[in-house]
Amino acid sequence: EDQVTQSPEALRLQEGESSSLNCSYTVSGLRGLFWYRQDPGKGPEFLFTLYSAGEEKEKERLKATLTKKESFLHITAPKPEDSATYLCAVRSNAGNMLTFGGGTRLMVKP
Amino acid sequence: DVKVTQSSRYLVKRTGEKVFLECVQDMDHENMFWYRQDPGLGLRLIYFSYDVKMKEKGDIPEGYSVSREKKERFSLILESASTNQTSMYLCASSPHGGGTDTQYFGPGTRLTVL
Repeated sequence: EDQVTQSPEALRLQEGESSSLNCSYTVSGLRGLFWYRQDPGKGPEFLFTLYSAGEEKEKERLKATLTKKESFLHITAPKPEDSATYLCAVRSNAGNMLTFGGGTRLMVKP
Repeated sequence: DVKVTQSSRYLVKRTGEKVFLECVQDMDHENMFWYRQDPGLGLRLIYFSYDVKMKEKGDIPEGYSVSREKKERFSLILESASTNQTSMYLCASSPHGGGTDTQYFGPGTRLTVL
């Protein structure tokens, strides 16, 4: 059974204070690892897909990296508008479904 | 840009009512999904469909049914709503194959069953 664990559950940062969010996974053959951002009361917004260990992707202040066991979402010099819940999900070779982690709620104070 | 729309942002229904949640996507995606999201439980898959008139049960299908008569539209049906079905419902779509299978989500429907 595929499993995804995100840590920490919540993270408070000062504006400009860089940090990383962790997504640990176990999956029978990784087809893709996905990062989403979700604002309160809204649907998840797609950020990145990573397919193989060593891959990295960047978007503005966010960079996602992937190893064989985990993925990190690095946030450089965050701003208050980066405050949201960040979700990680994996898809195995076995089927069409995603398995989601519980999310990390990020709060960036000005 | 991919666009997934859901028929209502907020919905309030009574116990025992039949409830229809509609989802439409405009990217000709083969796959469509219905999730519910609850605090502490995360996103859980209810049903998905990989083609017109095809459906597969997800992790929590009990109390729900689905309908996909057209490729762009996927409906979630609560035959007899109960209070434990109060939740945020999220629809998603994704292409099939082609090297990318990212799921794109709609804005969500917050359903309250009284």
